[in-house]
Amino acid sequence: DAKTTQPPSMDCAEGRAANLPCNHSTISGNEYVYWYRQIHSQGPQYIIHGLKNNETNEMASLIITEDRKSSTLILPHATLRDTAVYYCIVTDHNTDKLIFGTGTRLQVFP
Amino acid sequence: DARVTQTPRDKVTEMGQEVTMRCQPILGHNTVFWYRQTMMQGLELLAYFRNRAPLDDSGMPKDRFSAEMPDATLATLKIQPSEPRDSAVYFCASGLDEETQYFGPGTRLLVL
Repeated sequence: DAKTTQPPSMDCAEGRAANLPCNHSTISGNEYVYWYRQIHSQGPQYIIHGLKNNETNEMASLIITEDRKSSTLILPHATLRDTAVYYCIVTDHNTDKLIFGTGTRLQVFP
Repeated sequence: DARVTQTPRDKVTEMGQEVTMRCQPILGHNTVFWYRQTMMQGLELLAYFRNRAPLDDSGMPKDRFSAEMPDATLATLKIQPSEPRDSAVYFCASGLDEETQYFGPGTRLLVL
């Protein structure tokens, strides 16, 4: 079973920041938070991951709360091509296994 | 850009036929995963390999599914005999040890 809870859907205006929340209240100390997304008819695509500290890369930023029970994925300037299902996944780095939940369907509108 | 490739991209077959799906992982990656995606169940992990050895196939129906890695550049997923409930998109992903997984474009299977 997925260890995360995400809203089923969100909207965002093009050019605005998209903030996607994720709850993972049962996360343990050695578990990472991963974000993937799946654009329609494509395979999932890695976005970012983190353990405790906030992370940023060319795609997004990941903000993890101090107690690590929740996180937010931020797409700073959403484009129409960011329309996708976004999956927040908690996983132990030693197991390799990704357990996908139902994700958040992000719709970016013009 | 290094990518995971999968063949065929689409497959339509009749119930009872054997289906073989192939995956070429990214060169240098030592971990290969097979996932299945349906509307009802979402994305499910079927099996995965590290250094060509199967590590976990607990998600795979054992009676009709089999996964192998004949060599480091090829992973196969076979269904024999296929059933309509096997209709799904099958994704292969590869990675290096515990790092990020890179997914292929998937094989869309329809069993009539």
